[in-house]
Amino acid sequence: AQSVAQPEDQVNVAEGNPLTVKCTYSVSGNPYLFWYVQYPNRGLQFLLKYITGDNLVKGSYGFEAEFNKSQTSFHLKKPSALVSDSALYFCAVRALSGGYNKLIFGAGTRLAVHP
Amino acid sequence: DAGVIQSPRHEVTEMGQEVTLRCKPISGHDYLFWYRQTMMRGLELLIYFNNNVPIDDSGMPEDRFSAKMPNASFSTLKIQPSEPRDSAVYFCASSLLVDGEQFFGPGTRLTVL
Repeated sequence: AQSVAQPEDQVNVAEGNPLTVKCTYSVSGNPYLFWYVQYPNRGLQFLLKYITGDNLVKGSYGFEAEFNKSQTSFHLKKPSALVSDSALYFCAVRALSGGYNKLIFGAGTRLAVHP
Repeated sequence: DAGVIQSPRHEVTEMGQEVTLRCKPISGHDYLFWYRQTMMRGLELLIYFNNNVPIDDSGMPEDRFSAKMPNASFSTLKIQPSEPRDSAVYFCASSLLVDGEQFFGPGTRLTVL
């Protein structure tokens, strides 16, 4: 079955420290992978995507993600966290389901950055 | 562009009433998606349209839910009759490609009493 997993419900990090939000996937074929962020009472906002090419993808707000085919992972990273990065983060993968391409979202990981 | 517009932002209704949620996608986007977000089930795709035509409605929970897209700039999601378990945040999103970047609206928070 095609799926995406975010193994951590919450990640806590101190401001200024590096952060990692984990994502693993299971799809047939070459994966299209995405990260979105959701701030309170807002819709999801696109951060970055991987389709092909360089395994390290750079996105908005200083975030980047590393595609690792052997580990089927697409972890989100940032070298130095800000309090304003505190939000809910979703990993998504393009999947073929019922004959249609669609995005399947993970359950989300809440990132809390402490001053 | 104003982005994806949804109305109302909040809706409180009583069980059994009809609820209509509205969405205006970004101009030029060929795809429109309706999602539902709850604590228990996360973010679920309900249905999506391509050029105003429903493509995949396998996520629509039951016959009480229906969605239409009469033109490229407007879509509705209707629940009739509504039930308390329909309480959730409903998002509309649009994109140029089915597997491209999706732009989400601010959502409609529905509470069914």
